[in-house]
Amino acid sequence: AQSVTQLDSQVPVFEEAPVELRCNYSSSVSVYLFWYVQYPNQGLQLLLKYLSGSTLVKGINGFEAEFNKSQTSFHLRKPSVHISDTAEYFCAVSGGSNYKLTFGKGTLLTVNP
Amino acid sequence: DAGVTQSPTHLIKTRGQQVTLRCSPKSGHDTVSWYQQALGQGPQFIFQYYEEEERQRGNFPDRFSGHQFPNYSSELNVNALLLGDSALYLCASTYGPWETQYFGPGTRLLVL
Repeated sequence: AQSVTQLDSQVPVFEEAPVELRCNYSSSVSVYLFWYVQYPNQGLQLLLKYLSGSTLVKGINGFEAEFNKSQTSFHLRKPSVHISDTAEYFCAVSGGSNYKLTFGKGTLLTVNP
Repeated sequence: DAGVTQSPTHLIKTRGQQVTLRCSPKSGHDTVSWYQQALGQGPQFIFQYYEEEERQRGNFPDRFSGHQFPNYSSELNVNALLLGDSALYLCASTYGPWETQYFGPGTRLLVL
């Protein structure tokens, strides 16, 4: 079975500050890893994904994430956040015989002026 | 290029009723997955359809059923609704079961 743990349920930061949203996963097979963002009353939008290759993955809106196999982590980072980055962020995993995405419980990022 | 579309956007039902939600995949996509997102939670996988067959199913009771049509669109049916079925229902599409999933805006179901 696969599982995802998002270590922080809420992360408040000030505008233009850096941010890191933490994600750890558990899987007995090779994984594909994803970060999605959900704005209020909307569906999920793909930020970035790791399938294979370089462990540093760049996504949309200036976000990036690093796959660390030894620590089973896939933390999301942005060097300088904007008010518009306020949203819920979900880490997800798939792989092996699993077509499905298994999501974490989400991290609410709140960017304050 | 239209993305994933879902209908209706909102729905109110009472306990014991039945509901049908609809999803049209992104152009060129042939695989549809359904997820349930309860308030304050991450999405939970219900099932995936590929080539008009249920390819994989999550831990949901048989009250949840689905269908995929030849044009790749899909329906999610829920029978004997419970209060706990109140949630945002998300549809995601891909080209092939293994590819990156792209989500629609969801249908918000309220069961009274």
